[in-house]
Formats: sequence, structure tokens, C-alpha cells
Amino acid sequence: AAGVIQSPRHLIKEKRETATLKCYPIPRHDTVYWYQQGPGQDPQFLISFYEKMQSDKGSIPDRFSAQQFSDYHSELNMSSLELGDSALYFCASSPAAGGSYNSPLHFGNGTRLTVT
Amino acid sequence: DAKTTQPNSMESNEEEPVHLPCNHSTISGTDYIHWYRQLPSQGPEYVIHGLTSNVNNRMASLAIAEDRKSSTLILHRATLRDAAVYYCILRSRRQGGSEKLVFGKGTKLTVNP
Repeated sequence: AAGVIQSPRHLIKEKRETATLKCYPIPRHDTVYWYQQGPGQDPQFLISFYEKMQSDKGSIPDRFSAQQFSDYHSELNMSSLELGDSALYFCASSPAAGGSYNSPLHFGNGTRLTVT
Repeated sequence: DAKTTQPNSMESNEEEPVHLPCNHSTISGTDYIHWYRQLPSQGPEYVIHGLTSNVNNRMASLAIAEDRKSSTLILHRATLRDAAVYYCILRSRRQGGSEKLVFGKGTKLTVNP
């Protein structure tokens, strides 16, 4: 079965650079979630999209932005990178948000971002 | 978001059952109880969820207390591949919001050969 695809798997950037992470949800999943997981930490919710509109926002820095495109894939854009942005970034997808709160989230295997 | 409380860590032996407890005394009537696990260097993986009744699937069983203030994830025969951090999460319907998962501190399960 198709899973959530994230690219790239690994990314190394220098401070103050920008990075773009991509997420391709499972087909027919129209809701995408982004999470950040620092070393030894639990996943923290960043932002989510439903039908290409932002549906919820968590602890996402102003330097980060994200969007969901017409084909439902999503991109997380990160600017002015800081050392503290080094983390695993996970994307998850699920079917329609309305009434889906008992539907599982399907996570990708993440992008490991290292800022030097 | 309603909170859950889990032990920081648990140990089990291979091929033995494992009971992972979770307390959620502030659960509301519409909160679903979800369990996810995260293996090292992988994304979280859905395990099971339920509302009021006990649930079984190919991965595990979920036993929910009658007052819904606690639940137990049961792995019937632990294998080395079950070593992971297990998260118990309450998932609520939100008016105008997304049904995101809020991860707390999970239980790190160690399985001994």
C-alpha cells in the first residue's frame, strides 16, 4: 500500500540558509500535518492543512511557512535557519477532516534536517 | 487538550504479554483514545484506537475502563520488533479546528530476548 512520502530524507544546511521539505500524502488523503521532533524529544505539532487551507497551527516559528497544493502535496519552507532547527520533521496524512477525528494519521519516515 | 499520564519506561521479555497503562482522568465524552508507537528513527505508527468498548486488531488490544479514565494497551506476545516508544493520545473533535494528535511523554518499551 502507498505510504506518505517525504523528501529529502536528509538535508544539511548552514545557519541563515533556507530549506524546503516536501510531503506527498497517501492518495485520497486531503489532510496533511507537520511535526517537528528534536533530539530526545516527542513530536511537536507545527501546522496542518485540509483541502489546501490551513486548518490548525501549533508552535511553528514565524520563519517557517507551509502550504498544500492542488495535488494535496505539501511543502514546509524554513528560512533563516538556526542551529535549534536541527530535528526530524515528520509529515502525516489522513482522510477528510470533518468527522475524521477517529481516523488514524499515517506518518512518513521524516526528513532529518541538520543545521551547521 | 486533555492530558494522559504514562510510565516513562517498561520492560518485557520476548514472547510474553505486555500491558501498557495510560491514565486520562480528564477525558471528555467525545475523546477517542488513540495509541501510536515510534520505533527508532521512524515516524510514529498507528496501533489502535477506541471510544468506550474494548478493541482488538492484528497488532494489539485496547482495554478501556468503564469510567474511561484509564486504558491499557495489550501486546499479546512481545517481539523484539515491538521495542518502541508507545504514546497514548486523546483525540478530540474541534469546532473549526483540525483533529491533530498532541504527543505527550510516552512509554519506552524495552523487550529482552
